[in-house]
Amino acid sequence: AQKVTQAQTEISVVEKEDVTLDCVYETRDTTYYLFWYKQPPSGELVFLIRRNSFDEQNEISGRYSWNFQKSTSSFNFTITASQVVDSAVYFCALSEASGGANSKLTFGKGITLSVRP
Amino acid sequence: GAGVSQSPRYKVAKRGQDVALRCDPISGHVSLFWYQQALGQGPEFLTYFQNEAQLDKSGLPSDRFFAERPEGSVSTLKIQRTQQEDSAVYLCASSFHRRVHVGYTFGSGTRLTVV
Repeated sequence: AQKVTQAQTEISVVEKEDVTLDCVYETRDTTYYLFWYKQPPSGELVFLIRRNSFDEQNEISGRYSWNFQKSTSSFNFTITASQVVDSAVYFCALSEASGGANSKLTFGKGITLSVRP
Repeated sequence: GAGVSQSPRYKVAKRGQDVALRCDPISGHVSLFWYQQALGQGPEFLTYFQNEAQLDKSGLPSDRFFAERPEGSVSTLKIQRTQQEDSAVYLCASSFHRRVHVGYTFGSGTRLTVV
């Protein structure tokens, strides 16, 4: 069965600090997809990134970067020079390709990030 | 519409009452999902539609939960005889793709409180 673990529950940093959010996953599929979503106080889940299991290249998008390592089943997310607007709950999620068209997501419990001015 | 719209935004129900939660997906989106998010937890899958067909309802927690999407657009999640443990945010998500591994668009959810 698929599982996503976000061991950190709450992180508090001062603005401009770098912060890394950890994600460890379990799956028996060889083809799967990993996601990060942001949930601001308004409640909607905002899609940040998707990676497939065959692409281990790290990715950078502005202040955000992601480190995918199959050897440790981890997909960590780093925010560089954090800003107050980054304060939110961040979820890591997994979808197995064996589900076919039903690509339901398994989410971790989320990490609450607070960025103080 | 521009996004996935859910209504009502908040719902308070007395224990034992029936409730109906509505989801308006983005126009033309084929796939539609319902998730339940308990306080302090990640969302958990409830059910999946492809057009009007409910292809997976394995996540529905009991037979008091029922979902439909009769014309392949708007979907309704109905909960009969609500219990306190049903209190949660119910999230709807949709995608244009049949294979939605590109990620879907979520609505803001309906916060259900059962008293």
